[in-house]
Amino acid sequence: QKEVEQNSGPLSVPEGAIASLNCTYSDRGSQSFFWYRQYSGKSPELIMFIYSNGDKEDGRFTAQLNKASQYVSLLIRDSQPSDSATYLCAVRLTGGGNKLTFGTGTQLKVEL
Amino acid sequence: DGGITQSPKYLFRKEGQNVTLSCEQNLNHDAMYWYRQDPGQGLRLIYYSQIVNDFQKGDIAEGYSVSREKKESFPLTVTSAQKNPTAFYLCASSIPGGNSPLHFGNGTRLTVT
Repeated sequence: QKEVEQNSGPLSVPEGAIASLNCTYSDRGSQSFFWYRQYSGKSPELIMFIYSNGDKEDGRFTAQLNKASQYVSLLIRDSQPSDSATYLCAVRLTGGGNKLTFGTGTQLKVEL
Repeated sequence: DGGITQSPKYLFRKEGQNVTLSCEQNLNHDAMYWYRQDPGQGLRLIYYSQIVNDFQKGDIAEGYSVSREKKESFPLTVTSAQKNPTAFYLCASSIPGGNSPLHFGNGTRLTVT
């Protein structure tokens, strides 16, 4: 079992819809969770981080964390074509120091 | 502006040659990291350093070496022992602490033929 798993996609949504991206992790003791967006050929950029169970909202983005079920999700409301990118889930695993373990990413396509 | 600078952006080498990728940061971060990304893949950790003069192997350290003589700099050498060196290399830094995110440089795309 991979430590951090994501569906590779592509996930296609129409413009204006809600995009839902999911990530599961194997280490029950993990405490910190991050979502990065990566455009093709570019480096990842941080979108959101979440540490506590529940929802965290920032503009059109909402991160959801459920530690009991070991999943974290990212919702993008009012999806725009500029949101088309690969979204990487990253987890700071127990005993791993500061390093982050990344999933393979989910490709999102927002269609006009 | 504070940030992480990776150079060069593109690098081409012949098989059998060692090559060093530069990473410099002026964010005053103690921790620095090197990740590798292959097409359609996530990021895999090569080496990381939490403090000057100390570094640890990541998940795929074979064929790579690093040094951390200064807080600002964390160069990565890809040696001839690395079997598949062609990839996108990303340097990152962070403040020590469980809740701090990683900040990435713009990456170096290495092609070895």
